[in-house]
Amino acid sequence: GAVVSQHPSRVICKSGTSVKIECRSLDFQATTMFWYRQFPKQSLMLMATSNEGSKATYEQGVEKDKFLINHASLTLSTLTVTSAHPEDSSFYICSARKGSWGTNTEAFFGQGTRLTVV
Amino acid sequence: GQQLNQSPQSMFIQEGEDVSMNCTSSSIFNTWLWYKQDPGEGPVLLIALYKAGELTSNGRLTAQFGITRKDSFLNISASIPSDVGIYFCAGLTSGTYKYIFGTGTRLKVLA
Repeated sequence: GAVVSQHPSRVICKSGTSVKIECRSLDFQATTMFWYRQFPKQSLMLMATSNEGSKATYEQGVEKDKFLINHASLTLSTLTVTSAHPEDSSFYICSARKGSWGTNTEAFFGQGTRLTVV
Repeated sequence: GQQLNQSPQSMFIQEGEDVSMNCTSSSIFNTWLWYKQDPGEGPVLLIALYKAGELTSNGRLTAQFGITRKDSFLNISASIPSDVGIYFCAGLTSGTYKYIFGTGTRLKVLA
């Protein structure tokens, strides 16, 4: 397997503030990372694909100015929820792809971040 | 967003029983992955499948990549209480290279 670390695991913030979530691949380099959002008792919904050194690709309906993604190195991607509101409260999970396209690849997940906006 | 159909949605089984679940799609996938998620945690990779028809085991777990490349199956033999959790399939799309997740199967094991 491989290790992906996500921090923080829980965060509570006031409405209107911004929150940054970090996703690190600890023992491999990841040119591609993915950010998901998960509502209670539901599946993972892909928000965006983060590529090292280039702009993230957002899924339809996801506001890129609201959810800022930065993938500045091969081991770190960050998601910043800007001007957070209670409806942004959710479980956010990152994953990092191990392997190169054209070969067998696998995606490993972080522990997730429970965001609560009050 | 796009999702894969996974069934059953939930199941209660007795400890020691075998479990089967499957995932189907209208699209072809190049890779199928199976994950288990415990409450409040991120999914943990169980098995990865890369070729149509491939059958792969990981302990008591066995998964198969469907011949049509539009489905996959996961079997758990001799279930134990710690098998409780939500199981997700994920398919890797060709072209866009995104992992799309199934709707999940919630497994509860009765001791």
